[in-house]
Amino acid sequence: ILNVEQSPQSLHVQEGDSTNFTCSFPSSNFYALHWYRWETAKSPEALFVMTLNGDEKKKGRISATLNTKEGYSYLYIKGSQPEDSATYLCASYQAGTALIFGKGTTLSVSS
Amino acid sequence: GAGVSQSPSNKVTEKGKDVELRCDPISGHTALYWYRQRLGQGLEFLIYFQGNSAPDKSGLPSDRFSAERTGESVSTLTIQRTQQEDSAVYLCASSPVPEYEQYFGPGTRLTVT
Repeated sequence: ILNVEQSPQSLHVQEGDSTNFTCSFPSSNFYALHWYRWETAKSPEALFVMTLNGDEKKKGRISATLNTKEGYSYLYIKGSQPEDSATYLCASYQAGTALIFGKGTTLSVSS
Repeated sequence: GAGVSQSPSNKVTEKGKDVELRCDPISGHTALYWYRQRLGQGLEFLIYFQGNSAPDKSGLPSDRFSAERTGESVSTLTIQRTQQEDSAVYLCASSPVPEYEQYFGPGTRLTVT
């Protein structure tokens, strides 16, 4: 059984704080790791897709790293803004299986 | 370009009735997924289609749920004899190949009264 775990489950920060979340996934037969942002009343949107050990991706104030050998990825948000409030999902793709999503980390940023 | 579309956007049905939800994926996308989000819950995988391979039905919660996909185009999710616990937002997503990012549709909000 494949399991993708995310922590923390929820997080509340002040505007301007930097924060990070963790995603752990099975390292065997790993193929790709996805991060999605899911705002309330909207559909999830992809942030990053990473495949190689040591990958680092960046989009504005958001960045992610990948360690395929130990099976974890970090998502970082620098200088959080209220508009960053959302649930952040990670998902792991092992060859031949469906994409497996974690339960997400819900971020709330107050001004 | 056109994204993933779903219909209807909202559906209210009486307990015990059958419903059919439709998903039009992005043209050329071989992988198609159905998920649902019940109130206060996370994203729950239901079923996955990849090209002409047999679908991965491991997420379907009961035999009242079924889904079909015609080639690499439209998919329909059917729920027979709906129950109140079936109330949820049903999301469809597609991707060009399974390991690429998924593009989600706007969802169908199903309410079973």
